Amino acid sequence: KNEVEQSPQNLTAQEGEFITINCSYSVGISALHWLQQHPGGGIVSLFMLSSGKKKHGRLIATINIQEKHSSLHITASHPRDSAVYICAVGGSQGNLIFGKGTKLSVKP
Amino acid sequence: KAGVTQTPRYLIKTRGQQVTLSCSPISGHRSVSWYQQTPGQGLQFLFEYFSETQRNKGNFPGRFSGRQFSNSRSEMNVSTLELGDSALYLCASSSVTGSYNEQFFGPGTRLTVL
Repeated sequence: KNEVEQSPQNLTAQEGEFITINCSYSVGISALHWLQQHPGGGIVSLFMLSSGKKKHGRLIATINIQEKHSSLHITASHPRDSAVYICAVGGSQGNLIFGKGTKLSVKP
Repeated sequence: KAGVTQTPRYLIKTRGQQVTLSCSPISGHRSVSWYQQTPGQGLQFLFEYFSETQRNKGNFPGRFSGRQFSNSRSEMNVSTLELGDSALYLCASSSVTGSYNEQFFGPGTRLTVL
């Protein structure tokens, strides 16, 4: 079993829809990161959180430490949100452990 | 501030050769981490350098090595290349060490081993 599990693996949405991507982890963490990767490879850090909830524009990230679960929400999705979203947790040795990613495609 | 830069962006090598990739972190950042991304395994941690010292190392063979210079620029080296080393190699910089800090990623070097 992977230490970081994401669901769904693939997600297709219509423009304007509310989107949720889930991340569950089985290791103790210092922080959880949500990353966005566009075609071509560049990765952008969206959020880093260790408790509660963070919001940036149309993006919201939440984490439940007790349940070892985090969600990334996108409100009013847009085709430019199409990307791979990756959840990563801080491992005990200070490194990041990554989920396999969720490929999101938003259709106009 | 300039972002994280990686050179070269693309590289083609043949089996058995060696390769050196370079990463220049954001000015003032002292931590540089390296990651390998493949379609099968996803993103995997290679190693982290902080103030010229290797702080953490992932589960990769000794053919993968790295170093960091006094100006925080980092290089990673892969010797005796194998077909399976074909991947996108990403580096990320952070102001301090530890996974609880935001990391800023470079554009990556896409390595193809023939």
